Amino acid sequence: DGGITQSPKYLFRKEGQNVTLSCEQNLNHDAMYWYRQDPGQGLRLIYYSQIVNDFQKGDIAEGYSVSREKKESFPLTVTSAQKNPTAFYLCASEEGGGHTDTQYFGPGTRLTVL
Amino acid sequence: DQQVKQNSPSLSVQEGRISILNCDYTNSMFDYFLWYKKYPAEGPTFLISISSIKDKNEDGRFTVFLNKSAKHLSLHIVPSQPGDSAVYFCAASARGNTPLVFGKGTRLSVIA
Repeated sequence: DGGITQSPKYLFRKEGQNVTLSCEQNLNHDAMYWYRQDPGQGLRLIYYSQIVNDFQKGDIAEGYSVSREKKESFPLTVTSAQKNPTAFYLCASEEGGGHTDTQYFGPGTRLTVL
Repeated sequence: DQQVKQNSPSLSVQEGRISILNCDYTNSMFDYFLWYKKYPAEGPTFLISISSIKDKNEDGRFTVFLNKSAKHLSLHIVPSQPGDSAVYFCAASARGNTPLVFGKGTRLSVIA
């Protein structure tokens, strides 16, 4: 059963703690993306990776870090430097290699920082 | 500076009628456009796309129209059903290694 999984669905952390959100895909896609959704803000790109061991900053990368050591995995760390981390985080993947590829999204992780 | 704009944050439509969701873009390099549908607390799902070599693409109840000269596209849903109630995102893509650019979304409510 191919797809993108994000875990956990809901995550609570205390202010000042780093937290890592998981994203795994078994679609054999080259490209992976992290977005953040806030009410009225749409989808804002945090980081993306088009190939293993390489990634680029998106529009709102400050306070976040990523790694891409394996093709199927693209974890996102929300650091204590992120001023307003409470949000809905979405991971997506794309076959890669063409700008007409479709991005497929995971179910999302709701992070709440107390 | 928003390159993809969905100027209507929300839209209400009666069941069975047509829903028209609009999207405008500013970057003339965009040549591929997608619509995604999103339910609360879920990831967006791909709905339909259109290439700039076409001006219309249809898939069942969903039709996307592209007006390149006006830099405008629209998604038509006919007939609208209560299950269509969701947030719809327009996205655009340009050649090269640049990621998709999303609009802020339009919340559609289909009233029974």
